[in-house]
Amino acid sequence: GAGVSQTPSNKVTEKGKYVELRCDPISGHTALYWYRQSLGQGPEFLIYFQGTGAADDSGLPNDRFFAVRPEGSVSTLKIQRTERGDSAVYLCASSLNWGETQYFGPGTRLLVL
Amino acid sequence: GQQLNQSPQSMFIQEGEDVSMNCTSSSIFNTWLWYKQDPGEGPVLLIALYKAGELTSNGRLTAQFGITRKDSFLNISASIPSDVGIYFCAGQENSGNTPLVFGKGTRLSVIA
Repeated sequence: GAGVSQTPSNKVTEKGKYVELRCDPISGHTALYWYRQSLGQGPEFLIYFQGTGAADDSGLPNDRFFAVRPEGSVSTLKIQRTERGDSAVYLCASSLNWGETQYFGPGTRLLVL
Repeated sequence: GQQLNQSPQSMFIQEGEDVSMNCTSSSIFNTWLWYKQDPGEGPVLLIALYKAGELTSNGRLTAQFGITRKDSFLNISASIPSDVGIYFCAGQENSGNTPLVFGKGTRLSVIA
């Protein structure tokens, strides 16, 4: 079956612009996670959803970052007024239920110029 | 954010050699996981450990959950070219209730 997909695969934007990154989880997975991976680092947790609600958003770096999952499936990570330091790979993962094996997507590579 | 201490940062080995990498934390973890990431891909789970002292194998891979709950190691035996990639350890402080914390990764290169 299809795995986790993320679009776009690459995004180049200018400082100050707004971007949206999309994640399509594995069908039927109730939990969805967003991570950010900077060059040479491991993934860092941003936020996770159980169903439609954000159960833990403690990893979001500041209020420029926001994520939604309105129907409990697809999720969008939104970044306002992008800064050069936001450049990273944004990974999405899903699991059947919270705490179970997480399956990662290929990531969106964001470059802020 | 919090990260685990993973070593070595990189390794160059000959095909057929065994590999060992480890991860330590100042905090106690109840779950240890090992992932592999290929270029342009997301991490893929290799082995999951849920009990202190647990030793688990997956083919040529063997991982152990340290008795102190503050460390874990991963061994790869008889390495092959497709083992090339970045290996990450990840820990979870309270199983099912806290997010995963990842190490910085070990970059493995295999020379044929």
